[in-house]
Amino acid sequence: KNQVEQSPQSLIILEGKNCTLQCNYTVSPFSNLRWYKQDTGRGPVSLTIMTFSENTKSNGRYTATLDADTKQSSLHITASQLSDSASYICVVSLQTGGFKTIFGAGTRLFVKA
Amino acid sequence: DADVTQTPRNRITKTGKRIMLECSQTKGHDRMYWYRQDPGLGLRLIYYSFDVKDINKGEISDGYSVSRQAQAKFSLSLESAIPNQTALYFCATSDTRQGFYEQYFGPGTRLTVT
Repeated sequence: KNQVEQSPQSLIILEGKNCTLQCNYTVSPFSNLRWYKQDTGRGPVSLTIMTFSENTKSNGRYTATLDADTKQSSLHITASQLSDSASYICVVSLQTGGFKTIFGAGTRLFVKA
Repeated sequence: DADVTQTPRNRITKTGKRIMLECSQTKGHDRMYWYRQDPGLGLRLIYYSFDVKDINKGEISDGYSVSRQAQAKFSLSLESAIPNQTALYFCATSDTRQGFYEQYFGPGTRLTVT
């Protein structure tokens, strides 16, 4: 069964600290993995996209890693800011003639001053 | 102006009513999607369209229908709303020319069915 699981469900950190969010997937055949940021009451916004051959991708203070062998990805946030408070969603797409994408339930991050 | 807009942003309706959610985009993308988001669950695909003449069911299409009126417009209809269709609905777009997996989401419509 194709699944995307994220951990932790929620996380509270202090402003300025780093954190790492995890994504494990059992999707096959794998095409690409994306990380999205979703602010409360808003639509998701893309942070990174990685294909099978890429094992790291950065976007400012966000760095995503991908281990296609273990089917794991992580999103590392450096020097967190209050504006990083949001849900972070891991999304995996399958190689298919149609369109097949599995969304994780997300990790809710709270950054406190 | 936002590239992907959704109307209405909030809607409260009664069981059995027919309602339509609308999505418009100015990005010039060919692909459009409708998702619903429920607390504690990932977004789930309702319908998607790769161009004006192409409509495909997603994983949870029962109770919903769509219309692609133009490349820029994609509407979602609930023929007879029921309470378990209460959710946050998102429209998204992507572009075949840009490796179509990069999706751009609208701000969402919060639908409550009483």
